[in-house]
Amino acid sequence: GAVVSQHPSWVICKSGTSVKIECRSLDFQATTMFWYRQFPKQSLMLMATSNEGSKATYEQGVEKDKFLINHASLTLSTLTVTSAHPEDSSFYICSVPRQGQAYEQYFGPGTRLTVT
Amino acid sequence: AQSVAQPEDQVNVAEGNPLTVKCTYSVSGNPYLFWYVQYPNRGLQFLLKYITGDNLVKGSYGFEAEFNKSQTSFHLKKPSALVSDSALYFCAVRAALSSARQLTFGSGTQLTVLP
Repeated sequence: GAVVSQHPSWVICKSGTSVKIECRSLDFQATTMFWYRQFPKQSLMLMATSNEGSKATYEQGVEKDKFLINHASLTLSTLTVTSAHPEDSSFYICSVPRQGQAYEQYFGPGTRLTVT
Repeated sequence: AQSVAQPEDQVNVAEGNPLTVKCTYSVSGNPYLFWYVQYPNRGLQFLLKYITGDNLVKGSYGFEAEFNKSQTSFHLKKPSALVSDSALYFCAVRAALSSARQLTFGSGTQLTVLP
């Protein structure tokens, strides 16, 4: 069964509005979660690392005020795209490192965001 | 800086034939190597990994990959392709001494298995 879930699976919003995406670790606690962004026919780009109990760590070039990350609990991280614009339209995927080893990551099913 | 190259954007193979999806990497020190598969509008599913030990790694759905240190390659293979194997495949690498966030993905290879 699924180890990581995301909600919603797809969302359409209007420019200027904010959208919240949830990532849940279903089978184990996760002090760290990763948020990726994927453009069509392209690879995954790490946006930020969500840390339980502390601020998220953003990759270079990612606007932290635009992509708000909150690691609310050991099983939940949320990504809020604030004041969304059409260029924010993308596939957003979260992942959870394998507990205890961090050799591999369990990926969520992704959220398709379309900003009109 | 570490990097992954998947030289083929698209690989087509007939059902029942062997398939190979190529991957080469560059990393400082020993690598951790991974293959993931992505179906349309879905997240990535883990196929297999090389951490240490035997260079031939067997994974899910009959896939395997061979770590070749001298050629810095980690090609994905399957002896007999199925139509259901058609998907987007990503190779990924990180240095053994790095953190999980430092996983670098290749650009992906679209595999199409023709009936």
